[in-house]
Amino acid sequence: AQSVAQPEDQVNVAEGNPLTVKCTYSVSGNPYLFWYVQYPNRGLQFLLKYITGDNLVKGSYGFEAEFNKSQTSFHLKKPSALVSDSALYFCAVRWITGGGNKLTFGTGTQLKVEL
Amino acid sequence: NAGVTQTPKFRVLKTGQSMTLLCAQDMNHEYMYWYRQDPGMGLRLIHYSVGEGTTAKGEVPDGYNVSRLKKQNFLLGLESAAPSQTSVYFCASSYRTMKADTEAFFGQGTRLTVV
Repeated sequence: AQSVAQPEDQVNVAEGNPLTVKCTYSVSGNPYLFWYVQYPNRGLQFLLKYITGDNLVKGSYGFEAEFNKSQTSFHLKKPSALVSDSALYFCAVRWITGGGNKLTFGTGTQLKVEL
Repeated sequence: NAGVTQTPKFRVLKTGQSMTLLCAQDMNHEYMYWYRQDPGMGLRLIHYSVGEGTTAKGEVPDGYNVSRLKKQNFLLGLESAAPSQTSVYFCASSYRTMKADTEAFFGQGTRLTVV
């Protein structure tokens, strides 16, 4: 089965510092990888996706993610964190099944950006 | 655009009661999904639908039923609620593609408590 893993439950970073939220994947075939963000009491919002092509993907709010095939990773990054980036971040993999396609999520990483 | 709308936003049920959660989307999406979100477990797929009149089981379908009588609506039913079904429920929708490269759009969630 296709899966993603987020090894850190929480990441703390000071405002202005770079941030990284880690994700590794296990898929057969070409991976379609996504990052979503969830603010308190809200639904998930799409940040960015990797389909093919350039290994560095740019998304919303200054976030980017680096796809590394040899390490099967898709880490989310931002050069300079903001307090407003504090939220729950989910990595996900989308894959094709006989009945359509499914979206499988990691367990989430809580990002806390402090002054 | 309303996007994906879930009704109700909050509900408290007694054990054994039944209820239906409604998801409506106005983006003409073919695919619709129901997830539950529990602390430390991320989002887990309950049921999904690839088109009007079709549904399929996800990872955790037991205790739930679904129906997709109209393309824009996806209903999630609990016939006899149990405390283990206390969770936050999210509906999502997406376009159908031959690959798995499109992002999903999420509703705001329904917080359900079963006492």
